[in-house]
Amino acid sequence: DTGVSQDPRHKITKRGQNVTFRCDPISEHNRLYWYRQTLGQGPEFLTYFQNEAQLEKSRLLSDRFSAERPKGSFSTLEIQRTEQGDSAMYLCASSFDGSYEQYFGPGTRLTVT
Amino acid sequence: AQSVTQPDIHITVSEGASLELRCNYSYGATPYLFWYVQSPGQGLQLLLKYFSGDTLVQGIKGFEAEFKRSQSSFNLRKPSVHWSDAAEYFCAVGAVPNDYKLSFGAGTTVTVRA
Repeated sequence: DTGVSQDPRHKITKRGQNVTFRCDPISEHNRLYWYRQTLGQGPEFLTYFQNEAQLEKSRLLSDRFSAERPKGSFSTLEIQRTEQGDSAMYLCASSFDGSYEQYFGPGTRLTVT
Repeated sequence: AQSVTQPDIHITVSEGASLELRCNYSYGATPYLFWYVQSPGQGLQLLLKYFSGDTLVQGIKGFEAEFKRSQSSFNLRKPSVHWSDAAEYFCAVGAVPNDYKLSFGAGTTVTVRA
């Protein structure tokens, strides 16, 4: 088991561009979470999936953000019309259903210039 | 809603000395509590967790934590710090039944001096 992987690890984009991040969870895990971490802060919950169903979205997730997990395996997080305030580390985590133990990926660091 | 406070932003400790990181939570019932460690440029690694039972829990890398309901605390300790323990440490709480998202504190950065 290689753990949770995320791609890309770093992304620099210009304001107004769209970006998409990918997360591959641990294969047996059916829950997948997205968090955002800004400098000097802990991760903040964005959204989570149980299999392919998106069960909850934080109010932090504006209309410009969309997440999918089409086949209940990998997930994508898309940010449209990026803003400088979107600059952050985007973390993905996965867990077994019914478990609070979440395993995190290395994150994707987004810089919006 | 649950919340987590880590009062210390930054702690410097000498190698070989003991370390204690503070964590206070706010939640009406018994929460599920976690400590994670994050090295620069890396994701979060789970150090230990508390769900119920013995209030002193052991984790990886020689860390332990004690749950004190009366103080709403879950402090992390290590008797003897190694240079490789320099990292950022996050306390997290998962609280509402069937609501598995975690709420994190702002983190404590640990610097280890030789």
